[in-house]
Amino acid sequence: GDSVTQMEGPVTLSEEAFLTINCTYTATGYPSLFWYVQYPGEGLQLLLKATKADDKGSNKGFEATYRKETTSFHLEKGSVQVSDSAVYFCALSDEGSSNTGKLIFGQGTTLQVKP
Amino acid sequence: DARVTQTPRHKVTEMGQEVTMRCQPILGHNTVFWYRQTMMQGLELLAYFRNRAPLDDSGMPKDRFSAEMPDATLATLKIQPSEPRDSAVYFCASGPGDLRNEQFFGPGTRLTVL
Repeated sequence: GDSVTQMEGPVTLSEEAFLTINCTYTATGYPSLFWYVQYPGEGLQLLLKATKADDKGSNKGFEATYRKETTSFHLEKGSVQVSDSAVYFCALSDEGSSNTGKLIFGQGTTLQVKP
Repeated sequence: DARVTQTPRHKVTEMGQEVTMRCQPILGHNTVFWYRQTMMQGLELLAYFRNRAPLDDSGMPKDRFSAEMPDATLATLKIQPSEPRDSAVYFCASGPGDLRNEQFFGPGTRLTVL
């Protein structure tokens, strides 16, 4: 079945460092891809999304490009801040025959940014 | 500012007791999802509904868990009887029904079963 794999955390960076969190997926259909962020004590919230190959999603300085040839959707930010410390989830929606509207989440990657 | 609301935010109960968690989806959303989050298992989908009808509850332990939508403004997740292994954060999310759109998550119910 469809699945999402993220790099293991925690990822610890100093403020203003460059961030990459890797995400690869397996899907039989043509999924949309998402990054969600979870701040401590809160629910998940959408960070960015891309609906087709070569699309780039961006928000709050974060970017990710839908790469069909490498089945990847890596999250990047040029200069992280302490306030970016959170858990980041990569996810895909199944747009194949089942068309369920479900999201399949990766296991999450914890980011810690130190001043 | 439309939000998914969940009650209670925190619940501590003893093993064997019934627990009911409630969720109010965003008005106009026709899909509702229940998730469970633990350190060991991560985020698990328990059940979801479209237009109040259950589409899949295969992620839920059938013998003790039940999920319902009595009306379009209320979704419930019930555990009876509760066990210590049910301790987790339970999230409700709603969506407009177009799978290209996001799911909007509530703040969660933190359940502790002693």
